[in-house]
Amino acid sequence: DAGVTQSPTHLIKTRGQQVTLRCSPISGHKSVSWYQQVLGQGPQFIFQYYEKEERGRGNFPDRFSARQFPNYSSELNVNALLLGDSALYLCASSLGLARETQYFGPGTRLLVL
Amino acid sequence: GDSVTQMEGPVTLSEEAFLTINCTYTATGYPSLFWYVQYPGEGLQLLLKATKADDKGSNKGFEATYRKETTSFHLEKGSVQVSDSAVYFCARGPSNFGNEKLTFGTGTRLTIIP
Repeated sequence: DAGVTQSPTHLIKTRGQQVTLRCSPISGHKSVSWYQQVLGQGPQFIFQYYEKEERGRGNFPDRFSARQFPNYSSELNVNALLLGDSALYLCASSLGLARETQYFGPGTRLLVL
Repeated sequence: GDSVTQMEGPVTLSEEAFLTINCTYTATGYPSLFWYVQYPGEGLQLLLKATKADDKGSNKGFEATYRKETTSFHLEKGSVQVSDSAVYFCARGPSNFGNEKLTFGTGTRLTIIP
């Protein structure tokens, strides 16, 4: 079975631009979470969506938004990019909300110049 | 709030040496505990997990035991290989049901030399 897939793999943007990152969960998984991993640090939780509803939000500004589609895929949008948004963005999927294990995709590496 | 404190690296060992990477977590609630591994240029792979006190997670020769009394989940392997070189992350699950936020440690970079 295919794992979590993310696109694009790499992205270069300039300050002030907007970016959309995409994630497809493992088949049968209804929950998608997004994490930001800055170089040299552990991933930081951004959002979790379950059944198309936001179930959790980390300590990120409103420039960050996300949504989940009926097929459970998800998009993460970041507006007004800052240099500090440069990071690896990881998507994880799980079956649901009951203490399920999260499985991560390969990530999208975003560089903001 | 929830937090995870992880042994800082980098750690360099010779092949076949014994490995311990320390991890402690805040005791809020009864979280599931995880070790993830990240190879260069890749995402995170689940290495092992434990969901309740005294559970032992194991995989590929790695082990970790959920110690509620010391709020620890130390990663161990009896004989490391060059292929174990990677960054290891300890993580805890949420305190409550309703979301699945993982809280990660800062990671420990492990290098095994032949």
